[in-house]
Amino acid sequence: GESVGLHLPTLSVQEGDNSIINCAYSNSASDYFIWYKQESGKGPQFIIDIRSNMDKRQGQRVTVLLNKTVKHLSLQIAATQPGDSAVYFCAEKTGGGNKLTFGTGTQLKVEL
Amino acid sequence: DSGVTQTPKHLITATGQRVTLRCSPRSGDLSVYWYQQSLDQGLQFLIQYYNGEERAKGNILERFSAQQFPDLHSELNLSSLELGDSALYFCASSVVGQGRGGYTFGSGTRLTVV
Repeated sequence: GESVGLHLPTLSVQEGDNSIINCAYSNSASDYFIWYKQESGKGPQFIIDIRSNMDKRQGQRVTVLLNKTVKHLSLQIAATQPGDSAVYFCAEKTGGGNKLTFGTGTQLKVEL
Repeated sequence: DSGVTQTPKHLITATGQRVTLRCSPRSGDLSVYWYQQSLDQGLQFLIQYYNGEERAKGNILERFSAQQFPDLHSELNLSSLELGDSALYFCASSVVGQGRGGYTFGSGTRLTVV
């Protein structure tokens, strides 16, 4: 499939293991964060979001953790499946409006 | 299907030419965003429109322009194309003021400048 980026960090995990994808965001004033998944040849797809007044939010098989002290966001995927193989982006929103600033992305590869 | 429609899916054109990319937002969404995704730059914000008016501007070149029409569809015009303009161009839409929820992205237009 086509590659989103030439120099993306890559995380390889075994099927069934848990995955943790990390993101350092840039603006301490950001108040809303989102994780997106982008499969080859497709547009980014919303996975989970979190407001800055929370430090953890859980979805189906996914958990987002927010550490505002060190401006760090992580996405945990439980029991990783082959269908989870994709590029994962974190995005942050600062202030009014809905403009999102995206991180560089992490390529997740699930090995059978 | 995300509900955001982008056309065309693929576009190959020569340097110096002009192209128009089209986006129909998800039903009910008033805001449209354009992003460029190249191999070495990730997702770069270009411009946002809300209900026909420009709301925010990012790293958009002067050779590029956009507009949003009364029916809320948007067009991104790229002119005097250069090889470096080759990229995926994504449109996304959202309901501004909702306070929560990310964008819904279309599947993109792959532009190749030769």
